[in-house]
Amino acid sequence: QVHLQESDPGLVKPSGTLSLTCAVSGASISSSNFWSWVRQPPGRGLEWIGDLYRGLTSNYNPSLKSRVAISVDKSQIQFSLKLTSVTAADTATYYCARGSSSGSGVIYFDLWGRGTLVTVSS
Amino acid sequence: QSVLTQPPSVSGAPGQRVTISCTGTSSNIGADYDVHWYQQLPGAAPKLLIYPNNNRPSAVPDRFSRSKSGTSASLAITGLQAEDEADYYCQSYDTSLSGYVFGTGTKVIIL
Repeated sequence: QVHLQESDPGLVKPSGTLSLTCAVSGASISSSNFWSWVRQPPGRGLEWIGDLYRGLTSNYNPSLKSRVAISVDKSQIQFSLKLTSVTAADTATYYCARGSSSGSGVIYFDLWGRGTLVTVSS
Repeated sequence: QSVLTQPPSVSGAPGQRVTISCTGTSSNIGADYDVHWYQQLPGAAPKLLIYPNNNRPSAVPDRFSRSKSGTSASLAITGLQAEDEADYYCQSYDTSLSGYVFGTGTKVIIL
């Protein structure tokens, strides 16, 4: 059974870097999936941040592209998110998710982590 | 501001049928991109409701169905049950934004 688990950084200071990891068990990051990050500000909707296909090719939300990087660690059992120059607007629950291709060019997220709340505050 | 618009809430009594609309444009739903639907129970992560081939994950009942026409898509829930009270989101791809987009979200309220 595939399981995703986000790390828990908790509090990040404004202008700092938000760093999260997602531990993947029961599946290989090199499989034909899009290992993704999605966030949700408190009381608001979902926002796609970006993804990493087969652990090799990254794709980012253009609104965040200048500040975000998604990569896989050498162990190949977790992937990470780094978001730089954070502000209070980046306060959200961050989810890692597995994306799968529908064949029409639109990936769907069929497996999600439980999510971790990251607060940006001094 | 999402490019996929959903009603903030819909409500129905137990046993009734409700539909949730997801209105897009020619750069997303109207470009014939698939629309996927998620249920988010209070305090939980979103959960995929229907696979692209219209099969459902094992824990999802067949009371949930989807449709798409033109620049809009819909999720129908028949035989409403108390456990269906949750937030629901649509998701697609937008060529103008060059990325995946979610709808604004709809809260289903059981009367």
